[in-house]
Amino acid sequence: GEDVEQSLFLSVREGDSSVINCTYTDSSSTYLYWYKQEPGAGLQLLTYIFSNMDMKQDQRLTVLLNKKDKHLSLRIADTQTGDSAIYFCAEVDNNDMRFGAGTRLTVKP
Amino acid sequence: DGGITQSPKYLFRKEGQNVTLSCEQNLNHDAMYWYRQDPGQGLRLIYYSQIVNDFQKGDIAEGYSVSREKKESFPLTVTSAQKNPTAFYLCASKGTSGGYEQYFGPGTRLTVT
Repeated sequence: GEDVEQSLFLSVREGDSSVINCTYTDSSSTYLYWYKQEPGAGLQLLTYIFSNMDMKQDQRLTVLLNKKDKHLSLRIADTQTGDSAIYFCAEVDNNDMRFGAGTRLTVKP
Repeated sequence: DGGITQSPKYLFRKEGQNVTLSCEQNLNHDAMYWYRQDPGQGLRLIYYSQIVNDFQKGDIAEGYSVSREKKESFPLTVTSAQKNPTAFYLCASKGTSGGYEQYFGPGTRLTVT
């Protein structure tokens, strides 16, 4: 079947903004999610957006949703070294979740 | 504290041995999941269970088995039939209220030599 797609790597300087992009597959997904995985750890739910929203802001995180293009993005403002991790987007598929391959964010001092 | 736990964090086995990974949750969630993660890859679903005493195969169930005798527990057995068992294994659970988000345990890294 089709995959949820993300670029695999992103590198930014500390203090810059990071934008992680995702293309999902199911236009009927009611929720879309972002998870963060630090090295050797499980996935931590960061934020989510309802499909009837275009944008959601939560402190340094901004999620943008373009339903027409099935495109989801996560913007991290003022990126810190502690934001270095793998970020997964996920869509709901038949009441369960389908994950992208993850984007490894590296923050350079 | 409510949460989902996996043990042990690291596990080493010899080829040809079966090994069981533990997953416990006290979130009162009905659904539980097992994923496998390989370096540089996303999550692949092994098995899932929507309710006690019932479970279904995911995308890569071959060489694995599960049981769901209690709501809180969903152990995964990696059998000797699994050709490439070395990986990071993640367990997750999901409630029936609210959205569809899954909550993850800390993972078990299994190394088979």
